[in-house]
Amino acid sequence: QSALTQPASVSGSPGQSITISCTGTSSDVGGYNYVSWYQQHPGKAPQLMIYDVSNRPSGVSNRFSGSKSGNTASLTISGLQAEDEADYYCSSYTSSTYVFGTGTKVTVL
Amino acid sequence: EVQLVESGGGLVQPGGSLRLSCAASGFTFSIYWMHWVRQAPGRGLVWVSRINPDESSTSYADSVKGRFTISRDNGKNTLYLQMNSLRAEDTAVYYCARHGSGSSGFDPWGQGTLVTVSS
Repeated sequence: QSALTQPASVSGSPGQSITISCTGTSSDVGGYNYVSWYQQHPGKAPQLMIYDVSNRPSGVSNRFSGSKSGNTASLTISGLQAEDEADYYCSSYTSSTYVFGTGTKVTVL
Repeated sequence: EVQLVESGGGLVQPGGSLRLSCAASGFTFSIYWMHWVRQAPGRGLVWVSRINPDESSTSYADSVKGRFTISRDNGKNTLYLQMNSLRAEDTAVYYCARHGSGSSGFDPWGQGTLVTVSS
């Protein structure tokens, strides 16, 4: 149950697009279309942003989108806004358990 | 409003036990899978355990297997996590989360309860 690999930090200017990668193995990310993404602001509980690789829950901005290729999933935030500054975690199902990514701090310059 | 509220955290000595509770409201608790996820101070999220609606299926992370037990009381709309043989590395904020309906995401999450294992 090793954590999925994410870049420690990603930054961008307001209005720009950024992409966060999430790399696993064929036993987790590559083996199932059950990748989710979570946003966490400091001192707050995580919030679901993307589920099943590319689906957005109601209420989540369409500036957030997800995709997957092989063992790597990606979260793209377009039209970056100040409120997007937060930590982001990916998660994948893997044989009756789940694994989270190492987390990425997004900074809006 | 769908809501999850954790309780039961606190300071416990190494080797001790603690039971966390997660009170659910605003939805039909008895038909959802439920999860526990923890986050050590300044660290990332770690999945801990899950349970199916009728308690017939449970899963655990290797790091807690044999020490933690997940359970639920559908009549009380409450999820539990019994934690035994606690170690310093179990120190974390523990969140409960609902498994999505027809999806793999966890939504919503509770506000979390802090467990500190220290002498």
